[in-house]
Amino acid sequence: EQQVQQSPASLVLQEAENAELQCSFSIFTNQVQWFYQRPGGRLVSLLYNPSGTKQSGRLTSTTVIKERRSSLHISSSQITDSGTYLCAMDLHNNRIFFGDGTQLVVKP
Amino acid sequence: EAAVTQSPRSKVAVTGGKVTLSCHQTNNHDYMYWYRQDTGHGLRLIHYSYVADSTEKGDIPDGYKASRPSQENFSLILELASLSQTAVYFCASRDWGRNTGQLYFGEGSKLTVL
Repeated sequence: EQQVQQSPASLVLQEAENAELQCSFSIFTNQVQWFYQRPGGRLVSLLYNPSGTKQSGRLTSTTVIKERRSSLHISSSQITDSGTYLCAMDLHNNRIFFGDGTQLVVKP
Repeated sequence: EAAVTQSPRSKVAVTGGKVTLSCHQTNNHDYMYWYRQDTGHGLRLIHYSYVADSTEKGDIPDGYKASRPSQENFSLILELASLSQTAVYFCASRDWGRNTGQLYFGEGSKLTVL
């Protein structure tokens, strides 16, 4: 069973549009992280958001534990935002599970 | 800035050969992880460790061994490499201090088994 589900699988935007990425979990978790990855690149932590809403620059994450979901909002998208966005959650015993990611393409 | 370094960054191995991927962290983190990523997919947990000289199985441990000889070093060992183990492997350490659980990744090791 896939523990972490992400949607959409892929997304194409025009520059300056906003994006909303979704993540849902099979169980309750209080440890949610969002990552960014360029093709073949290192994963970079964007936001660590166990609950509520957190913001970092143009990124806003909202996690609702009781609904087992988290979202990542990207405002005023830029071409350099293109890449894969992954969410991850803790299951138990510090085992961290990842979704398959959302591939974002921002076009000029 | 937390630092996790992996070696080698790229390796071609023959089927049945032994492969060792190394990971070194200078973060003073207790937890370390090995993941594999297949093209177009997320990461799957192979092994992890929370203390030196001890390792735990993740979701897909079959065909892999892990070794944590010190807090700084965590290795992934493929005793008999197979074609299906062609993937990119990522190591990560976890900060349970100020950033409470944030993961720091290495740059990845691309393994091709022929």
